[in-house]
Amino acid sequence: QSVLTQPPSASGTPGQRVTISCSGSSSNIGSNTVNWYQQLPGTAPKLLIYSNNQRPSGVPDRFSGSKSGTSASLAISGLQSEDEADYYCAAWDDSLNGQVFGGGTKLTVL
Amino acid sequence: QVQLVQSGSELKKPGASVKVSCKASGYTFTSYAMNWVRQAPGQGLEWMGWINTNTGNPTYAQGFTGRFVFSLDTSVSTAYLQISSLKAEDTAVYYCARDLVVGEENYFDYWGQGTLVTVSS
Repeated sequence: QSVLTQPPSASGTPGQRVTISCSGSSSNIGSNTVNWYQQLPGTAPKLLIYSNNQRPSGVPDRFSGSKSGTSASLAISGLQSEDEADYYCAAWDDSLNGQVFGGGTKLTVL
Repeated sequence: QVQLVQSGSELKKPGASVKVSCKASGYTFTSYAMNWVRQAPGQGLEWMGWINTNTGNPTYAQGFTGRFVFSLDTSVSTAYLQISSLKAEDTAVYYCARDLVVGEENYFDYWGQGTLVTVSS
C-alpha cells in the first residue's frame, strides 16, 4: 500500500494528451514538492519532473507537472510510442520523515 | 558526466548476506547524499533510506532497520548496501540514487543501473 495514490494504468493513442494523477496528504504533497520519475521497460528510473513542474535538461516540453493542494498531476502531450513506461510520483513525507513514492502508473500507447 | 555504476547480479541462499556497491564518478562524491531504493519483481519503487556521504551517517526507512546497512568508502567514491540474513522476500532490484538538495527540496537526479539480488535455495 503506497502512501501516494496513482492509477495503476493509463493509455492513449499517438498524438493524444494524457494525464496521470497522484494523490497524497497534508504531510507529503500538501507541504512538499512533487517529483516524477519515468521508468522505461527494463531500465532504471529517470528524473522526469522536479519541484512540481520543472523539467531537467533534455526532457521534452511535452512533459509537464502541476500540483494543487494534496494532489499532483503529470501531463504528456503529443503522446509518442517511446513514452510507454511506468511513471512514479514522489514526495518527502514530514510524518514519516522520509521519501514516499506512488505505486506507479503503467502508460500504454495504443 | 555523472555516473553511478552498480555491481552485478547476485544469487544467494536464504540466510546468507550480500553487499551491493555503487561507484560514483563525474562529481564530488561527498557533496551529495546517496539513497537506496528497492523494487521487488513487478512492483513499484520503495525508498530504503539514505546515507550522508560527508559524515557516513545512515538513515533507514521504516521496514529497513536491522538487516540493512549503508556504508561508504569515500577513497573510491563508492556507497554500499549490505543485507544480512537474506529472505526470499528480499529478492528485488536495488538502486542507488544521488540526492540533489536545493533549499528544502530534494530529488533523485541520477540513478545507478540497478542490481538484481535473487534469494533462492
